[in-house]
Amino acid sequence: AQSVSQHNHHVILSEAASLELGCNYSYGGTVNLFWYVQYPGQHLQLLLKYFSGDPLVKGIKGFEAEFIKSKFSFNLRKPSVQWSDTAEYFCAVNGNTGGFKTIFGAGTRLFVKA
Amino acid sequence: NAGVTQTPKFRILKIGQSMTLQCAQDMNHNYMYWYRQDPGMGLKLIYYSVGAGITDKGEVPNGYNVSRSTTEDFPLRLELAAPSQTSVYFCASRLTDSHEQYFGPGTRLTVT
Repeated sequence: AQSVSQHNHHVILSEAASLELGCNYSYGGTVNLFWYVQYPGQHLQLLLKYFSGDPLVKGIKGFEAEFIKSKFSFNLRKPSVQWSDTAEYFCAVNGNTGGFKTIFGAGTRLFVKA
Repeated sequence: NAGVTQTPKFRILKIGQSMTLQCAQDMNHNYMYWYRQDPGMGLKLIYYSVGAGITDKGEVPNGYNVSRSTTEDFPLRLELAAPSQTSVYFCASRLTDSHEQYFGPGTRLTVT
């Protein structure tokens, strides 16, 4: 079955700490991978995406993610978090075998202490 | 552009009541989606549409109905509200050739 697994439901970090949020997926065929972010009181917005090419993709606000095909992973990273990064982060996948319906992970709530 | 808009923002329903959640987009997107978001569960797809007049079920369609008479609008109908439908509902849209979805602000629905 198609699924997305996010390893941590809650993460608490201090400002300037490094961040890595894990994401693994189960999806046959060619995949497109996404990280969406939901800031408090706001709607989801795209952080970054991978379709093809360089497996290391850079998004907004200093975030990046690496697609490792052999591990079915798409982990999100940021070298130094800020208080304003406090949000919920969702990993998502779609592809040609699922009719391009997007499957979302359960989300990771990140709280950054000032 | 207003993007994706949803009304209402909040609603409390009694069991058995019905209501329609409105969703509209002004970006001429063909694809539109309805999701529900429950704590710790991520987003689950309820229904989606690939264009006016075409709709299909997602992962959790029971208890809901949709219609797509225009490109812009994609309303979600709850006929007999149940407590299990308490959730936050998000509408989203995208262009045919892009996989990036644009989300609305959500509707928080409570059924008591």
